[in-house]
Amino acid sequence: AQTVTQSQPEMSVQEAETVTLSCTYDTSESDYYLFWYKQPPSRQMILVIRQEAYKQQNATENRFSVNFQKAAKSFSLKISDSQLGDAAMYFCAYRSAYENFGNEKLTFGTGTRLTIIP
Amino acid sequence: DSGVTQTPKHLITATGQRVTLRCSPRSGDLSVYWYQQSLDQGLQFLIQYYNGEERAKGNILERFSAQQFPDLHSELNLSSLELGDSALYFCASSVATSRGTGYTFGSGTRLTVV
Repeated sequence: AQTVTQSQPEMSVQEAETVTLSCTYDTSESDYYLFWYKQPPSRQMILVIRQEAYKQQNATENRFSVNFQKAAKSFSLKISDSQLGDAAMYFCAYRSAYENFGNEKLTFGTGTRLTIIP
Repeated sequence: DSGVTQTPKHLITATGQRVTLRCSPRSGDLSVYWYQQSLDQGLQFLIQYYNGEERAKGNILERFSAQQFPDLHSELNLSSLELGDSALYFCASSVATSRGTGYTFGSGTRLTVV
């Protein structure tokens, strides 16, 4: 079974600075997807960014980018120019790419609470 | 509005009681997933339904059950409730072969057992 580990329960960053959230995962599969989700105080789960394992290029979405190291099974999220609205819980998640029966679920890490300091 | 509707948003009930949580998936999505998020924890996968049939099961307690109806809405039934069942319950939907895209989450149901 796959596992996802987020070793930083809490992080803080000054507004306008850059912060990196860590995520490692364990899998024996070679094809999969990785996600970062944001959960603000509203509790809504919001997709931040998605990475396909067979793509070498790191995904980017505006101020959000990832550092995907497949061999190291590491998937960190970098937030540039941090804004007050970035304050939230951030969850890393894994999904198998093999379209076998019942493999579509997301496996989540325990989350990192990000605080933005004005 | 994400397109996934969960009702009710909040629920307070006593130990030993039974409750039903409801989820309407986004239009066109055939898969429904249920997750449990206890306080300050990650989301734990409970169960998945696809087009009316159970497709995958996680660490779902025997006191919990779910189903998906012909109109594709899903219900999660929690019985003999215990204090430890207090949590946020999320529903998400997707097309089955989404190739890793298209998961849409509802806003969750906050269950408090007293």
